[in-house]
Amino acid sequence: DQQVKQNSPSLSVQEGRISILNCDYTNSMFDYFLWYKKYPAEGPTFLISISSIKDKNEDGRFTVFLNKSAKHLSLHIVPSQPGDSAVYFCAASVRSGSARQLTFGSGTQLTVLP
Amino acid sequence: DTAVSQTPKYLVTQMGNDKSIKCEQNLGHDTMYWYKQDSKKFLKIMFSYNNKELIINETVPNRFSPKSPDKAHLNLHINSLELGDSAVYFCASSRDTGGLGKAFFGQGTRLTVV
Repeated sequence: DQQVKQNSPSLSVQEGRISILNCDYTNSMFDYFLWYKKYPAEGPTFLISISSIKDKNEDGRFTVFLNKSAKHLSLHIVPSQPGDSAVYFCAASVRSGSARQLTFGSGTQLTVLP
Repeated sequence: DTAVSQTPKYLVTQMGNDKSIKCEQNLGHDTMYWYKQDSKKFLKIMFSYNNKELIINETVPNRFSPKSPDKAHLNLHINSLELGDSAVYFCASSRDTGGLGKAFFGQGTRLTVV
């Protein structure tokens, strides 16, 4: 039962163009969404997040959009750079007791072509 | 300074053996996690500890036992290793609910059971 889905396992984009990574979720209790970036042989690193009360959050070249009615979020990277090539994980957060539990998607491999 | 460090990075062992993976964080976080990344690349939570107390225990075989000697350490012991345990295991930490699920990950331990 995948509560967070990233249906595109891979995406290739030309340098300088926009990269759009998509994520869908099913659990309406999720109230915080995050994107993580992962290089080979490293752990995921936090990239950007958005609260469920917002529909957009921007940080430099990275913007996350949230459509709660569609249970869909997307990460926009513009302009894309070769160093952005990595696996991007979408994650959704819900409080579980005294901590927050993260549920991850399966990731999308982004390749930015020079 | 590595924020979340786990050892070893690679572990190859035979079926039936018992092994441990160590994790330490120097961020002063209250919550630590173990995640498993399976062959389909999903990151799935296994355990979560908050201030040395177990708060999340997903459906994991009881051959897996986390040990938290203090809130900066969360070690993972695995008994009677099976072929299906082969995966990459990630340790992570976060502040408690104030962290809103933003977690810092270690570099991962690639476990191969032969």
